[in-house]
Amino acid sequence: AQSVTQLDSQVPVFEEAPVELRCNYSSSVSVYLFWYVQYPNQGLQLLLKYLSGSTLVKGINGFEAEFNKSQTSFHLRKPSVHISDTAEYFCAVRMIQGAQKLVFGQGTRLTINP
Amino acid sequence: DTAVSQTPKYLVTQMGNDKSIKCEQNLGHDTMYWYKQDSKKFLKIMFSYNNKELIINETVPNRFSPKSPDKAHLNLHINSLELGDSAVYFCASSHTGQGDTEAFFGQGTRLTVV
Repeated sequence: AQSVTQLDSQVPVFEEAPVELRCNYSSSVSVYLFWYVQYPNQGLQLLLKYLSGSTLVKGINGFEAEFNKSQTSFHLRKPSVHISDTAEYFCAVRMIQGAQKLVFGQGTRLTINP
Repeated sequence: DTAVSQTPKYLVTQMGNDKSIKCEQNLGHDTMYWYKQDSKKFLKIMFSYNNKELIINETVPNRFSPKSPDKAHLNLHINSLELGDSAVYFCASSHTGQGDTEAFFGQGTRLTVV
């Protein structure tokens, strides 16, 4: 079975400051890794994904994430946040082989203050 | 040209009623899903269908019955609604197989049982 832990339930930061949202996962099999964003009253939108290759992955809206296999982590970063980045962020994993379901973390609420 | 569309967006109903949520995707995907997001924002898969065949059923009460008339549609029928069924239900779709099989999500249906 897979599990995902997002280490911070809420992260408040000031506008233009850098941010890191932390994600650790546990799995006995190889997985793909994803970050999704949910704006208020919206569905989920894919920010970025790690399938294979370079461990540094760049996504939309200036976000990037680094896959660390030894630490089973996939932390999300942005060097300078904007008010519009205020949203709920979800880390998720999916088995490479087998059932194609996403297993989500608990979510991190990112609040940007002016 | 919405990729994954759900109806209705909001649903308020009394305990004991039966209700349905509809989902359609125009992405040509062969796999569709239902996810439930509870009041703490936690997302968990409920069902997955591949080419109209049930693939995943994650210990969901029998009161929930998914139906897939074709691979572009996956509806969710709920009998005898309970207060605990109040949540946001997300439909999603993806291609099957390894590699780049990103899941696309609908906007969600907020179900409130009173």
